[in-house]
Amino acid sequence: DTEVTQTPKHLVMGMTNKKSLKCEQHMGHRAMYWYKQKAKKPPELMFVYSYEKLSINESVPSRFSPECPNSSLLNLHLHALQPEDSALYLCASSQGGYNEQFFGPGTRLTVL
Amino acid sequence: AQSVAQPEDQVNVAEGNPLTVKCTYSVSGNPYLFWYVQYPNRGLQFLLKYITGDNLVKGSYGFEAEFNKSQTSFHLKKPSALVSDSALYFCAVSVTNTGTASKLTFGTGTRLQVTL
Repeated sequence: DTEVTQTPKHLVMGMTNKKSLKCEQHMGHRAMYWYKQKAKKPPELMFVYSYEKLSINESVPSRFSPECPNSSLLNLHLHALQPEDSALYLCASSQGGYNEQFFGPGTRLTVL
Repeated sequence: AQSVAQPEDQVNVAEGNPLTVKCTYSVSGNPYLFWYVQYPNRGLQFLLKYITGDNLVKGSYGFEAEFNKSQTSFHLKKPSALVSDSALYFCAVSVTNTGTASKLTFGTGTRLQVTL
């Protein structure tokens, strides 16, 4: 299984809502990533987990809260988002080192 | 700081013709370079990578890339383009290795348009 899955595919939320994005991989990868991608722009790294521990936080606002419950799952908890947070949120995983990252299809988030 | 540049926002090519999508890089130390493709409203798909060894790297869907150290380039190529190759292409460099994780820095992307 060389697939990274993400749910939901689409999410619309108000600025006062709390929601979560989910990501799952069963490739035995020990590194998992969250990216944010605006239209026609490259992905921007948000968080990196290595062996289920947060290893990189790219100065992301606290309204985004990552969680890695186990080696296969990665969540992104959302609270009090702003309209400018609307974007495609991508999850990825890798074996680490300089191996390629495998990306999920993304969650299209719209904040009203 | 490490970076990659994709000088062309868009590349247009006729089906059956060869295509080249350009990428140049700037790194301190050994470069670890990747190409990804993204179709509309989809995640990124890995095409190929250069870590070490042969300068000509072959990847998925008939794509290849040539690593040129003297020109600090890693151009993506395909001998015969297909309409289905139309997509957004990203070059990326792996800049750090924090234990098991790597940190990718992407270029701005090049839109490839293949027409009949």
